Amino acid sequence: AQSVTQPDIHITVSEGASLELRCNYSYGATPYLFWYVQSPGQGLQLLLKYFSGDTLVQGIKGFEAEFKRSQSSFNLRKPSVHWSDAAEYFCAPIIQGAQKLVFGQGTRLTINP
Amino acid sequence: GAVVSQHPSRVICKSGTSVKIECRSLDFQATTMFWYRQFPKQSLMLMATSNEGSKATYEQGVEKDKFLINHASLTLSTLTVTSAHPEDSSFYICSASGPGSYEQYFGPGTRLTVT
Repeated sequence: AQSVTQPDIHITVSEGASLELRCNYSYGATPYLFWYVQSPGQGLQLLLKYFSGDTLVQGIKGFEAEFKRSQSSFNLRKPSVHWSDAAEYFCAPIIQGAQKLVFGQGTRLTINP
Repeated sequence: GAVVSQHPSRVICKSGTSVKIECRSLDFQATTMFWYRQFPKQSLMLMATSNEGSKATYEQGVEKDKFLINHASLTLSTLTVTSAHPEDSSFYICSASGPGSYEQYFGPGTRLTVT
């Protein structure tokens, strides 16, 4: 069965520290992969996406993600977090040719001052 | 670009009444629109997928007669919650994508409270 897992429900990091949010998927074929961020009171915003090619993708707000086929992972990283990064982060694969995104459970990020 | 709006942002209605939520793509043609439901501290659950001019495709377990979806134009989709009950209280989010695109652009959501 197709599934996506974000193992960390809640992560707390200090401002200025590095961040890695994990995402693992289980699909028959490699899906396209998205990371979205949901800030309080705002709609989901696309951070970055991977379709093919370079496995290290750059996104907005200083985020990047690395696709690792051997590990079925697409982890999100940021070298130095800012207080404004506190939000809910969702990993979402989509099967090529399909319309539906499948959202992970989400990871809530809290930033300590 | 790629802005999606939702109206209203918050609505309170009495049990048994119906409420309509609008989702508009402001600067692109949304050939496909999606409606999600999100419970507190949970992920988004897809309710239905709507292609312009076609009937919506509902996910398993979603009552199509209760959640009426209309996608009559390339910029507007509506979700009507009919005969609302307190258990329908939730955060409803729409998204839209353009022709041949896998990217979805999300509206800010509508908080529905049924009293």
